[in-house]
Order: sequence, then C-alpha cells, then structure tokens
Amino acid sequence: EVQLAQSGAEVKKAGESLTISCKGSGYIFTNYWIGWVRQMPGKGLEWMGIIYPHDSHTRYSPSLQGQVTISADKSISTAYLQWNSLKASDTAMYYCARPYGSGDFFMSYWGQGTLVTVSS
Amino acid sequence: QSALTQPASVSGSPGQSITISCTGTNSDVGGYNYVSWYQQHPGKAPKVIIYDVRNRPSGVSNRFSGSKSGNTASLTISGLQAEDEANYYCSSYTTTDTLWVFGGGTKLTVL
Repeated sequence: EVQLAQSGAEVKKAGESLTISCKGSGYIFTNYWIGWVRQMPGKGLEWMGIIYPHDSHTRYSPSLQGQVTISADKSISTAYLQWNSLKASDTAMYYCARPYGSGDFFMSYWGQGTLVTVSS
Repeated sequence: QSALTQPASVSGSPGQSITISCTGTNSDVGGYNYVSWYQQHPGKAPKVIIYDVRNRPSGVSNRFSGSKSGNTASLTISGLQAEDEANYYCSSYTTTDTLWVFGGGTKLTVL
C-alpha cells in the first residue's frame, strides 16, 4: 500500500529555520515525483514545487522560488521542505503528494499534512 | 491570484445537479487534457475525484463527471448528497515552471 507519512506539527518563531519531511513507503520512491502543496488558514491549495527523487531534479513555483528548498534523500525514501528563515506568513498546512503513475499529472496519494505555525 | 479561475461558491439541494467551472489558458487547461479535480472536506487531505479531464479513479461515485471545452473545464455532480458538501479544486498541467496549477477552489453547499 502506497503511503506518504509526514512529520508532526511544528510551532516556531519568525526567523527560525525548519525542515519538515514526507516519507514514502509501499513503492519505489525514486520512480515518482513528489509535490508539496501549501494551504494557508482558510485558503485554497497552492502548488509549491516538485522533486524527482531519482536525480533530485526540482521545480519551484515562481512565487516561492528562493523562499523554500525542496530536497530528497532516496536512501531513506524521504522528501523534505526547508525554510532558512520563517515568516509569520508561512503559517499553513503543508501536504506532500504523489502522482498515481510516474507519467501522470494528477496526485493520487497525499500525506496527512504538517501544520506549521509561525509566531511573530 | 490563482492561475485557474473557479466560482467561490455554488449550492444545490439534495438530488439536484450542479456544475463547477474552471477557466485557464492555452498554457494549461486549453492546451492539455491533464485537468484533475479534488474534493477536500474540512480538516482532511484532498482526494482526487476526476483526472485527465473526465476519468474517475476507482471507488469514486459515477455521480461525478468531468468535461472540457476550450480553456474551461467543468465538474458536474449529479444527484447531490449531503456528503458532497466540501471544497472542490481543479488543477492542470501547465507549461510554467511549477508544472501544476490549482484553481482557487469552490465551496459547495448542499442546502
């Protein structure tokens, strides 16, 4: 069974750094893109970027380029979303997701979400 | 501002049908048959209900159907049920850097 297990909720202060994770299981991790999706409180879904764990090829939303870093460690089947300096506006639920097939353009598998709260 | 445009809200009574539109451009909705729709209940992760414009994943009710004309995709829910009350998001492959874009979401209220 394909599963994406995300790390737990985080409470941070503005200016701090943070890395959240998404561990894939039940499939060959390197064969499928992993995407990250942000959902700010009471708002809609927003694509942040995607990574192909096989070669760590990464694409970012232009609006978030430089604000976050997406990476992956294929040895432990885990993708990461990292901030060097959090802002209060980073407060959101973050989801990782995977396409159904390696060549598909829709996300069938979703993590449970990681709630990040940043106080100013 | 979202890349794809959806109505903020729609409503319908049980048993009725509703349609949610999703308007993009030739770089996304109009250029490719890679439109998908997601249902999200409060506090839950999104769930794909339509992919590649009109295909339903296994286990999704046939009350959900998708279509596309030009730069606008549509999701139709027939025989509305109380459990359909949720937020619905369209998404499309895009030639921009992100590869995928979402619509702003539509809140469906079952009256």
